[in-house]
Amino acid sequence: AQTVTQSQPEMSVQEAETVTLSCTYDTSESDYYLFWYKQPPSRQMILVIRQEAYKQQNATENRFSVNFQKAAKSFSLKISDSQLGDAAMYFCAYRRGGIQGAQKLVFGQGTRLTINP
Amino acid sequence: DTAVSQTPKYLVTQMGNDKSIKCEQNLGHDTMYWYKQDSKKFLKIMFSYNNKELIINETVPNRFSPKSPDKAHLNLHINSLELGDSAVYFCASSQVTGGNEQFFGPGTRLTVL
Repeated sequence: AQTVTQSQPEMSVQEAETVTLSCTYDTSESDYYLFWYKQPPSRQMILVIRQEAYKQQNATENRFSVNFQKAAKSFSLKISDSQLGDAAMYFCAYRRGGIQGAQKLVFGQGTRLTINP
Repeated sequence: DTAVSQTPKYLVTQMGNDKSIKCEQNLGHDTMYWYKQDSKKFLKIMFSYNNKELIINETVPNRFSPKSPDKAHLNLHINSLELGDSAVYFCASSQVTGGNEQFFGPGTRLTVL
């Protein structure tokens, strides 16, 4: 079974600085997707960024970027120029590829990110 | 124009009661999910329906019964509620042949007293 591990229960960063959240995963599949979701205190789950395993180029979305190391099964999230609104729980998630069968997201334990003004 | 909606957002009830949570999506997706987020914030899949057909049924007690009357709706009925059922329940939807992103509802916080 696939597993996702986030080894940092909590992280904090000064406003305007850069922070990196770690995620490792375990799978025997070659076709899969990886995601970072943000859950602010409102509890809404918001997709931050996604990465297709077949793409070598790291995904970026404005201030958010990933470091995808397929061989190491590592998928870290870098947040640049941190803003107060970035404070939230961040979840790393895995989904196998294909259009048949299970499409479930497997989540890590989450990392609570605090932004210090 | 909410994409995925859930009702109610909060549910407080006594042990032993039966309750339902409703979910609707207006995105035209063909797959819907129920996830449970426990008190430690851990999220886990419970069920998934594709075109009204149950395709994922994780090891969930049979007190939980999902029902999908059509592609846009997925409801969750829980019988004989127990203290351990207290959690946040999220509905989500996606399109199998689309971008694979799952869109989540706002969650329903269930508290069993």
